[in-house]
Parts: sequence; C-alpha cells; structure tokens
Amino acid sequence: GAGVSQSPRYKVAKRGQDVALRCDPISGHVSLFWYQQALGQGPEFLTYFQNEAQLDKSGLPSDRFFAERPEGSVSTLKIQRTQQEDSAVYLCASSTGTSGGSGPGNEQFFGPGTRLTVL
Amino acid sequence: KNEVEQSPQNLTAQEGEFITINCSYSVGISALHWLQQHPGGGIVSLFMLSSGKKKHGRLIATINIQEKHSSLHITASHPRDSAVYICAVNRSQGNLIFGKGTKLSVKP
Repeated sequence: GAGVSQSPRYKVAKRGQDVALRCDPISGHVSLFWYQQALGQGPEFLTYFQNEAQLDKSGLPSDRFFAERPEGSVSTLKIQRTQQEDSAVYLCASSTGTSGGSGPGNEQFFGPGTRLTVL
Repeated sequence: KNEVEQSPQNLTAQEGEFITINCSYSVGISALHWLQQHPGGGIVSLFMLSSGKKKHGRLIATINIQEKHSSLHITASHPRDSAVYICAVNRSQGNLIFGKGTKLSVKP
C-alpha cells in the first residue's frame, strides 16, 4: 500500500509569503506528527494530531505556524509571512497507535519531507 | 544539553568494518528508535525497542534502560550503508525527540 506522501517536495518562497504544506498519512493511521529539520540537525517536534484533534502544538515556533487535520486524515501545515529561519525540511509521520510505547502501533512511518527555502 | 546525544557525529569506515554508533538520553522514555536517513530526506525506521536487543540482518540494536544508553551496530559494513543514522526517543504521548544524527560513510 501507499506510504506517507507529502507535497510539494520542494518549495521556494519569498520572505513574507504564506505557504501550505500537505501530508497524506497512511490510510487508517490515527496519529500524525509534524517535524522540522534544519540543515545538519536532527528533526524537532512541531505538533501532533490524534484523528482530527490537535493534542500538542507545543513545538510550533511561533504563531505564524498553524496546522490542521479537519477530517482526521490529510493534514496541512501553514506558515504565514515566512522568514529565512523557516527554511528547513518539514517531515510528516503517521502511526496507528494513540500513545507512546514500544508496541508495533507506535512505529512512525515518515513521508519524504518538503524542503522549504525562504529567500 | 540535548535530551538525546549521539556519538560520533561523523564516522568513516572501510567496507567490511564493524561499526558502532552510540546514543545516550536524559529523559524518561517509553521506547527508543533507530532511524536511517538517506540524502534527499527520506527516513526509514530500523528498530524500535524498549529493552534488550534486536537484530535485523547485519544490524543490531541494544538498549540499557538503567544506564539510559543504546547502541546501533552494523556488521560487515558496505558502502550502501552510508547514510545518517538517527536515535530518537518516545515520550509518553508519542512524539519523538531526536538526536542530531551520525553521518556514516563506508568506503569501498
């Protein structure tokens, strides 16, 4: 079956422009995570959805970042008034589980990421 | 201090060598993951473990919960193993905290 997909794969934005990044999780996966990976760094947590509920948005770096998952499947990460420091790869991951743990349902499956470059 | 520390940051090996990558963490976890990331960004889950040891092909992962330490071993390394290897830990709600990764280059 299809894995996690993300679009666009690459996005170049001018500073101040708004962008929207899309994530299609694996069908039936309850949990969806967004991560931000700066060049040469490990990914960092942004936000987490369980179905359509955004249970944790503590990692969002500013109020310019907004994420939604209105029907509990596809998710969109929106960045308003982009800044150069927003340049990064944005990764989406999904899992069947609903909480942390070592059971098989908590394995996260990652999408290929969207590389955002803000000029 | 980062909650998840990996060493070394960069590692160059000759084909056939035994490789070890280490991960230490300072927070309570429910599980630890080893991930592989190739150029272009795609991340693949190699192992998820909460105790003991797991083996898959030439890859072995171990974890010591008391010492808050895990190791990833690659036996008989091959140039196709060249990638960034990332250690990540699960907090109770499920989101991952990542190390900065170890860039491995295996020379033929």
